[in-house]
Amino acid sequence: GAVVSQHPSRVICKSGTSVKIECRSLDFQATTMFWYRQFPKQSLMLMATSNEGSKATYEQGVEKDKFLINHASLTLSTLTVTSAHPEDSSFYICSASPNTGFQETQYFGPGTRLLVL
Amino acid sequence: SQKIEQNSEALNIQEGKTATLTCNYTNYSPAYLQWYRQDPGRGPVFLLLIRENEKEKRKERLKVTFDTTLKQSLFHITASQPADSATYLCALDRHNNDMRFGAGTRLTVKP
Repeated sequence: GAVVSQHPSRVICKSGTSVKIECRSLDFQATTMFWYRQFPKQSLMLMATSNEGSKATYEQGVEKDKFLINHASLTLSTLTVTSAHPEDSSFYICSASPNTGFQETQYFGPGTRLLVL
Repeated sequence: SQKIEQNSEALNIQEGKTATLTCNYTNYSPAYLQWYRQDPGRGPVFLLLIRENEKEKRKERLKVTFDTTLKQSLFHITASQPADSATYLCALDRHNNDMRFGAGTRLTVKP
């Protein structure tokens, strides 16, 4: 149980295009999902907290107009990188905690590798 | 400012030995601390959680300690195996269940 999937697993795009990444909780509902970014050999950096039915909460320094988050249902959150540039190339990972039971543990998706040319 | 430091970027040990990883934090008062394993190109996988009122927790070959006075957690893998080779991340809760991660320690267990 507690499986989180991400799609796509890998994407290459041209500079200036937008890329959408999906995060799904497959066997549980999650009111809150988290989006992280990880550069090579660095740790995960929280970008934003995605709340079902309301606006996402962004960390300091993360542009909300560039990284659009939509949490349309209790099992799906999407991150759209708008007008992507090479410096946005990174590993994007989402996580979620089940609404019921032990909520402190987060379950992570497998990550999405984004390469902007 | 809040900091989480994992004191070794890399740790190499021989198979069968005990690996000990350290996580220190400053300007934090976490309710709990977690350890995750991350393999290259993959998302982190939860291993253990220890609460502020717990001194030690075990799970199979894993043991975690939590000293809120020293602001330190130690993560031990006993009888280490090459399959234990990975990056290990400590994470502290902030609020609303979101967490801050340390930079990780890359463990290599040599046969």
